[in-house]
Amino acid sequence: AQKITQTQPGMFVQEKEAVTLDCTYDTSDQSYGLFWYKQPSSGEMIFLIYQGSYDEQNATEGRYSLNFQKARKSANLVISASQLGDSAMYFCAMREGEYTGNQFYFGTGTSLTVIP
Amino acid sequence: EAGVTQFPSHSVIEKGQTVTLRCDPISGHDNLYWYRRVMGKEIKFLLHFVKESKQDESGMPNNRFLAERTGGTYSTLKVQPAELEDSGVYFCASSQDRLALRNEQFFGPGTRLTVL
Repeated sequence: AQKITQTQPGMFVQEKEAVTLDCTYDTSDQSYGLFWYKQPSSGEMIFLIYQGSYDEQNATEGRYSLNFQKARKSANLVISASQLGDSAMYFCAMREGEYTGNQFYFGTGTSLTVIP
Repeated sequence: EAGVTQFPSHSVIEKGQTVTLRCDPISGHDNLYWYRRVMGKEIKFLLHFVKESKQDESGMPNNRFLAERTGGTYSTLKVQPAELEDSGVYFCASSQDRLALRNEQFFGPGTRLTVL
């Protein structure tokens, strides 16, 4: 079974609007971390935001916020005030367990296009 | 500080040939990971080094893949002999060995491997 599911292969958003990229996860561990990465056309993977399973507040990093709904096992990324430079692939990832060196599980990604 | 670097950026080989991919992690990062993304699918874990030791190689597809990490510094991933299904983008990532739960992985730009 997929540990990370991203159901939106492609998304479009108007510049300056907000957009939500969906991510659901599947784990039986109590301790886990959720990550979002951005992959622009240049190929490098850029870390955006992290949410720990024990964190009570939703994570925020500038224009990025993570809508963490633990009971629903969802960790949606919200990008506010979209910019043209936000056009990229976005990957949701999870690391299970207490050991911080454990592997990441990734989703299939969402391709975001920001329209001027 | 230099990021994770990978060489080559692209490789096109014929079925049956051998290819060696190289990854140089961020200096001081004990954890080194290899991942692979086949077109349109999720990024999948291959293996994890802690320094020069293989911590987890559960994602290695078969014995045609051999990974090494010399002296706990750079790593190589050799595919011999290559098959058509080995085509994809191979990512290397590194992280520090620390207790902080976030401990994000830093990714290289990937090597795009095409097997004809």
